[in-house]
Amino acid sequence: EVQLVQSGTEVKQIGESLKISCKGSGYNFARYWIGWVRQKPGKGPEWMGIIYPSDSDTRYSPSFQGQVTISADKSISTAYLQWSSLKASDTAIYYCARQVATAMSNFDYWGQGTLVTVSS
Amino acid sequence: EIVLTQSPGTLSLSPGERATLSCRASQSVTSTKLAWYQQKPGQAPRLLIYGASSRATGIPDRFSGSGSGTDFTLTISRVEPEDFAVYYCQQYGSSPNTFGQGTKLEIK
Repeated sequence: EVQLVQSGTEVKQIGESLKISCKGSGYNFARYWIGWVRQKPGKGPEWMGIIYPSDSDTRYSPSFQGQVTISADKSISTAYLQWSSLKASDTAIYYCARQVATAMSNFDYWGQGTLVTVSS
Repeated sequence: EIVLTQSPGTLSLSPGERATLSCRASQSVTSTKLAWYQQKPGQAPRLLIYGASSRATGIPDRFSGSGSGTDFTLTISRVEPEDFAVYYCQQYGSSPNTFGQGTKLEIK
């Protein structure tokens, strides 16, 4: 069974750094693109970027380029999303999700989401 | 980037009625690379339709997708109580992938 299990809720202060994780199981983690999606309350999802764990090829949405870093460690089947300096506007639920095949594919499996709250 | 506009914003129906949800793209979607997801409160989105009209594994046949170019439709032939949720379309033919703002299907 394919599963993506994300790290837990985070409450941070403005300016702090953060790294959240997404561990895959039940499939060959290295061979599928993993994406990160932001969702603010009452809003539609926003595609942030994707990574191919086998060679760490990474693509970012222009809206998130330079704002976050996506990485992966294929040896432990885990993808990461990190911030160096959080802003209040980063408050949202963040989902990881597996892309079906190529870099231009839909998502088929999703993690449960990680709530990130950034306050002053 | 391609902007997806979903309509209506909210759709109020009774169980057993037919639901028609629209997703319009600001530019043509490459190779009908359009998906539909269902999201219930407190849950992650769930894939319903990909390639504009192919049902994902385990999705009941009351869900169907159609369309091409810039106009796409998700139809639920007879709405069941468990179908009340928010529905999102996503295009993945052009980078960056983009999602619509959602249509909420609520009980009338």
